[in-house]
Amino acid sequence: GAVVSQHPSWVICKSGTSVKIECRSLDFQATTMFWYRQFPKQSLMLMATSNEGSKATYEQGVEKDKFLINHASLTLSTLTVTSAHPEDSSFYICSAKNQGLAGADTQYFGPGTRLTVL
Amino acid sequence: KQEVTQIPAALSVPEGENLVLNCSFTDSAIYNLQWFRQDPGKGLTSLLLIQSSQREQTSGRLNASLDKSSGRSTLYIAASQPGDSATYLCAVPNTGGFKTIFGAGTRLFVKA
Repeated sequence: GAVVSQHPSWVICKSGTSVKIECRSLDFQATTMFWYRQFPKQSLMLMATSNEGSKATYEQGVEKDKFLINHASLTLSTLTVTSAHPEDSSFYICSAKNQGLAGADTQYFGPGTRLTVL
Repeated sequence: KQEVTQIPAALSVPEGENLVLNCSFTDSAIYNLQWFRQDPGKGLTSLLLIQSSQREQTSGRLNASLDKSSGRSTLYIAASQPGDSATYLCAVPNTGGFKTIFGAGTRLFVKA
């Protein structure tokens, strides 16, 4: 089946630094990827939709200058948390829609990245 | 606007019990519904995907049903095991169909 990977799986950083998280579709091409965040014991909240070759679409309340998204290829999207603060500590999960195979409406999820900002 | 509700929020059962998790959604114009499992601190594992033309899907001890007209889905777990302990999330497309909306999940604990 389709596989989505994320790197790193966890990261600890100091307040004020920037952190980049990668999301890759390993065996399929994805023109659209999604970035979610999940606070402890809460569900996933969509942050933004990442479109290959164009600007990301952000959900209401998500600062686009703080959460930079780049979808430079059909298999890679990156989320950069700029000037991270403790309140940005969360579990970040990406997903990708499989465009090429039957069942193209299915989203495949990455394993997540746990960000802790000290 | 699509909203997804899952009941119960948490459930604790002894091993071997059959159980039902409920999911309801407000906009019935969906093209599919997915059930996911999430272990603590981990990502999502897709369990079952039901297309809008289907009424149910089965995988092993799991059976998911879909009633679009009433905006409901159930996930039935037969003969529960401690390894089934996890959070189960229901997800449907939003109104318009491009994004995925998740329920808050049901945290299941199966006691040995």
